[in-house]
Amino acid sequence: AQTVTQSQPEMSVQEAETVTLSCTYDTSESDYYLFWYKQPPSRQMILVIRQEAYKQQNATENRFSVNFQKAAKSFSLKISDSQLGDAAMYFCASQNTDKLIFGTGTRLQVFP
Amino acid sequence: DTGVSQDPRHKITKRGQNVTFRCDPISEHNRLYWYRQTLGQGPEFLTYFQNEAQLEKSRLLSDRFSAERPKGSFSTLEIQRTEQGDSAMYLCASSLIQGAEAFFGQGTRLTVV
Repeated sequence: AQTVTQSQPEMSVQEAETVTLSCTYDTSESDYYLFWYKQPPSRQMILVIRQEAYKQQNATENRFSVNFQKAAKSFSLKISDSQLGDAAMYFCASQNTDKLIFGTGTRLQVFP
Repeated sequence: DTGVSQDPRHKITKRGQNVTFRCDPISEHNRLYWYRQTLGQGPEFLTYFQNEAQLEKSRLLSDRFSAERPKGSFSTLEIQRTEQGDSAMYLCASSLIQGAEAFFGQGTRLTVV
């Protein structure tokens, strides 16, 4: 079965600093996709970044990048130059052929 | 396109009543997902459609839950004989193909009293 584990219920970072959110997953598939989604308070979930498992190069989207370690089944999210607007719940998710499976989330607080 | 829309946004119902939620996905998206999210938790998968075919149902989806997607367009999620444990946010998402970004609606918050 597909599982996604986020071991950090809460993280905090100072504005302009860098923070890394951890995620591990388990899948028996060789072809899959990994995602980080952001859910701001009382707002809908939006995609932060996406990684295709067959690609060795780590995905990057502006201030957001991932460290994808396929053998270790690890998929961490690095947020550089943190901004107050980055404060939200962050969910790691994996997808094989169909459904998205989410982790339990990490609440990120950003302090001025 | 205005994105994924869900209706209603909030629903308060008495225990034992039936409720139905609607999701309108992005028009060209053939994949549609329903999730349930309780406070402080990640979304739990309920069911998934590809076009009008319901391809997978979670074991979380008891016999009281049913979902449809007639003609592969909008979808409905019905909960019969609601229980207090059904209180949660029900999220709908759609995507174009496997591995593509899933776009989420704002959810329907159900409170069973």
